[in-house]
Amino acid sequence: EADIYQTPRYLVIGTGKKITLECSQTMGHDKMYWYQQDPGMELHLIHYSYGVNSTEKGDLSSESTVSRIRTEHFPLTLESARPSHTSQYLCASSDYRVGPMNTEAFFGQGTRLTVV
Amino acid sequence: GDSVTQMEGPVTLSEEAFLTINCTYTATGYPSLFWYVQYPGEGLQLLLKATKADDKGSNKGFEATYRKETTSFHLEKGSVQVSDSAVYFCALSDPFNKFYFGSGTKLNVKP
Repeated sequence: EADIYQTPRYLVIGTGKKITLECSQTMGHDKMYWYQQDPGMELHLIHYSYGVNSTEKGDLSSESTVSRIRTEHFPLTLESARPSHTSQYLCASSDYRVGPMNTEAFFGQGTRLTVV
Repeated sequence: GDSVTQMEGPVTLSEEAFLTINCTYTATGYPSLFWYVQYPGEGLQLLLKATKADDKGSNKGFEATYRKETTSFHLEKGSVQVSDSAVYFCALSDPFNKFYFGSGTKLNVKP
């Protein structure tokens, strides 16, 4: 069973509010990811990290920001939420192992964000 | 760049029917291949994986074989159940652990 946790599971918030989505893992994984999942199911990588103090932007441009101060923690912040940010956000982690026979990514249960 | 293409859904089957969900990939190196399953309101769970050519991944009656010659990793199950209704994602990871996901295939199994 994967030990990666996201809170909150559901969040309804007003426009303009600042929000932080939490993601924690207890597997000691170096690499962590944030994906945005649209209603059509497709996953879009918005941020990732190779380890402490490393953050990179993903393939889909996002107004959110992330930080990685501790190995186990990878929070995502929106400074001013807008209705266009309404989506499902999935956090994941994996061992960072260069070369063949990579390990899988482990996913949290997701946060469904609704901005009204 | 690397990519994954999987068959569009939804796929609707009767219970005990045979399931195939096609997945093909494009990769410059030697990727690892995965199938993930997502139940409503949940995150993705690993269903099975294969890390080199001709490997067969299997779990819970599902199987997929890493075919390098056809760059495919098709998911199969001999007899589906209503509880298999979910969205299935094919994925690959490149040598630097970047993951590429297909667009997902929704499976509906009717009693």
